[in-house]
Amino acid sequence: EDQVTQSPEALRLQEGESSSLNCSYTVSGLRGLFWYRQDPGKGPEFLFTLYSAGEEKEKERLKATLTKKESFLHITAPKPEDSATYLCAVLGSGGSNYKLTFGKGTLLTVNP
Amino acid sequence: AAGVIQSPRHLIKEKRETATLKCYPIPRHDTVYWYQQGPGQDPQFLISFYEKMQSDKGSIPDRFSAQQFSDYHSELNMSSLELGDSALYFCASSLAGEQYNEQFFGPGTRLTVL
Repeated sequence: EDQVTQSPEALRLQEGESSSLNCSYTVSGLRGLFWYRQDPGKGPEFLFTLYSAGEEKEKERLKATLTKKESFLHITAPKPEDSATYLCAVLGSGGSNYKLTFGKGTLLTVNP
Repeated sequence: AAGVIQSPRHLIKEKRETATLKCYPIPRHDTVYWYQQGPGQDPQFLISFYEKMQSDKGSIPDRFSAQQFSDYHSELNMSSLELGDSALYFCASSLAGEQYNEQFFGPGTRLTVL
């Protein structure tokens, strides 16, 4: 069974203080690793897809990287509007072709 | 860009009542997924449909059923509602054949069972 573990559970940063979120995964045949941002009471907003180890993707202050066992979401010089829960999910090739398995998320709070 | 549309956005029901949630996928998307997210929890996969056929099934109670229609919209029918069914219900859609099968989520329906 696919498993995703995210750490830390919660992270408080000062505006401009860079940091990283971790997503460790166990999956039989990774078809894709996905990062989403979720604001309270709203649907997850798609950020990135990573497929192969060594792959990196960037979007504004966010950069996602992937190894064979984990992914990192690096946040550079965050702003208060980056405050949200960041979810990591995997899609494996074993069993279901469709089901995303999510981690429990990291709640990021950026203080001005 | 057009996004996934869900209705209603909020729904309040009594125990043992029935609820129907609707999902309209992004235009051209042919695959629809339903997820349930309890308070402080991660989204849990319920069921998915591809080209109007059920493609996968997760932890969906027998009291729930779903279908996808010819226009690709989907409905989640929930009967004999229980207090524990109170949650956010998300629909997501994707385009089969896309390499990464990226799923785009709707805004959700907040179901409260009293």
